[in-house]
Amino acid sequence: GAGVSQSPSNKVTEKGKDVELRCDPISGHTALYWYRQSLGQGLEFLIYFQGNSAPDKSGLPSDRFSAERTGGSVSTLTIQRTQQEDSAVYLCASSFGQGGEQYFGPGTRLTVT
Amino acid sequence: GENVEQHPSTLSVQEGDSAVIKCTYSDSASNYFPWYKQELGKGPQLIIDIRSNVGEKKDQRIAVTLNKTAKHFSLHITETQPEDSAVYFCAASNGRALTFGSGTRLQVQP
Repeated sequence: GAGVSQSPSNKVTEKGKDVELRCDPISGHTALYWYRQSLGQGLEFLIYFQGNSAPDKSGLPSDRFSAERTGGSVSTLTIQRTQQEDSAVYLCASSFGQGGEQYFGPGTRLTVT
Repeated sequence: GENVEQHPSTLSVQEGDSAVIKCTYSDSASNYFPWYKQELGKGPQLIIDIRSNVGEKKDQRIAVTLNKTAKHFSLHITETQPEDSAVYFCAASNGRALTFGSGTRLQVQP
């Protein structure tokens, strides 16, 4: 079946602009995660959604970052007033329930100029 | 919070040799330990995982071992092939988000 999809695959934006990144999880997966991978680095947790529960936002680096998940499916990660240090690959993963195996999408490469 | 350390950061082996990557974790509440393979320009791919009620798991040329007492787990790849070349990440979780190690770049020389 279809895996996790993300769009756009690449995004170049000017410093100070807002960006929205989209994630379509695997159908039926109730948990959705956002991670960030800076160049040559490991993956850093940002935010986690599980069903109708309040999201775990403990990994968001600043209040410029927010995310929502509509209808328990598609999620959008929004970065306001982008800074150069926001440049990274943003990865989305989904799992069948809390604690399940996480499957990743291909990521969105964000470049802030 | 959880802290995962991974080593080595780079590993070069000859085709056909074995490769071992080791990770340690700090949170005794962690109970799920997956391993991911990441190729250039792609998202991480889950290759094997182990839960805390199991000490070892094997899938063809790949095996993972877990020592809960020492808080460490390892990935073993036997009979390495050039297509095994990639960056490998270990991770740990207590049922929520994953905490990742810093990655190991594996190079298999033909």
